[in-house]
Amino acid sequence: AQSVSQHNHHVILSEAASLELGCNYSYGGTVNLFWYVQYPGQHLQLLLKYFSGDPLVKGIKGFEAEFIKSKFSFNLRKPSVQWSDTAEYFCAVILYSSASKIIFGSGTRLSIRP
Amino acid sequence: EAQVTQNPRYLITVTGKKLTVTCSQNMNHEYMSWYRQDPGLGLRQIYYSMNVEVTDKGDVPEGYKVSRKEKRNFPLILESPSPNQTSLYFCASSSLAGGHNEQFFGPGTRLTVL
Repeated sequence: AQSVSQHNHHVILSEAASLELGCNYSYGGTVNLFWYVQYPGQHLQLLLKYFSGDPLVKGIKGFEAEFIKSKFSFNLRKPSVQWSDTAEYFCAVILYSSASKIIFGSGTRLSIRP
Repeated sequence: EAQVTQNPRYLITVTGKKLTVTCSQNMNHEYMSWYRQDPGLGLRQIYYSMNVEVTDKGDVPEGYKVSRKEKRNFPLILESPSPNQTSLYFCASSSLAGGHNEQFFGPGTRLTVL
């Protein structure tokens, strides 16, 4: 069955540290890829997305992600985190063949020490 | 303002008492979806709708019903709620123009079933 894996459940970093959150999916076909962020007590918001083209995509608030097709990965990165990045981050995949089934990863909680 | 609204935001009920959570979007989106969010499990899709009168099951549809009589509304119905349906529920919508686009999420409904 198709799935999305986020292996880091909870990441704790100090301010100014670099961040990389892993996302892997299991599906051999074409996908649309997303990263969403959920700040404490709020709903999910889009950070960035990849449909096609340049595999390195830039999103809001200095985040970027790289799609590596051979590794079925779409890792999220930020060179220098801030306390305000404390949130839960979700990777999501849309399977192009169905265009309707959306699979979310289990989420990674990011805590930033001031 | 473009938004997805859900009501109620908080609900405490008892086992077996039918309830409906409403969802409405003002962006003329074709696609609407319901998710439940549980700790460690991320978001799991309950039902989705590609357009009016077109609905389909997601990954965890048991115990839920939906309807899509109008494009803007997508209510979630629990005919006989049980304690294992205690969760945080999110409604989302997206445009399908040009391919499946980002989801816009509602503020969430926290449901407790006693």
